[in-house]
Amino acid sequence: AQTIHQWPVAEIKAVGSPLSLGCTIKGKSSPNLYWYWQATGGTLQQLFYSITVGQVESVVQLNLSASRPKDDQFILSTEKLLLSHSGFYLCAWSLDRATEVFFGKGTRLTVV
Amino acid sequence: GDSVTQTEGLVTLTEGLPVMLNCTYQTIYSNPFLFWYVQHLNESPRLLLKSFTDNKRTEHQGFHATLHKSSSSFHLQKSSAQLSDSALYYCALSDLGGSSGNKLIFGIGTLLSVKP
Repeated sequence: AQTIHQWPVAEIKAVGSPLSLGCTIKGKSSPNLYWYWQATGGTLQQLFYSITVGQVESVVQLNLSASRPKDDQFILSTEKLLLSHSGFYLCAWSLDRATEVFFGKGTRLTVV
Repeated sequence: GDSVTQTEGLVTLTEGLPVMLNCTYQTIYSNPFLFWYVQHLNESPRLLLKSFTDNKRTEHQGFHATLHKSSSSFHLQKSSAQLSDSALYYCALSDLGGSSGNKLIFGIGTLLSVKP
């Protein structure tokens, strides 16, 4: 069975500090990987997607970056957090484009 | 560009009444793939329904929806609301044709609140 693990579960960070959120998918080789962001009370917004190791496409510019260093790992990061980065970050995977997307449990980020 | 419209931000119903959540979409692609995701409080979204076949009803867990390409709609329905149906419901669109990459576009979501 496929499992998706996100870390950390929650973070409280200061404005201007760096951030690194991680996600691993086990039980599926070469999945499509995604980062989504959900502002408090807001909709789901796709940030990045990756169809293979080392390749990441940006969907929305939010002063964040993403990397896929391994087939099963997806990292979201920034060197300087903004207040507007607060929200719920979800990692997700799918077998192929347009098929069901499976979400991780998410990381709740509060920037103070 | 592609977009998904959910006209109701909040729907409040009494248990036992029928549910209808609206979803319309805009896309230039001829093979849109439509989804309904449900997100319960403090949980991640999970897939409820999906369809890419025109005029074919799809059902799951008492909910159903039919993709109508003629009206660009994929409304979610249920005959009788239950308290446990209270959640945030997202309609989403993707493109089977592939040229839009791996975008999954979500509507703003409809919060369904079912009261006793």
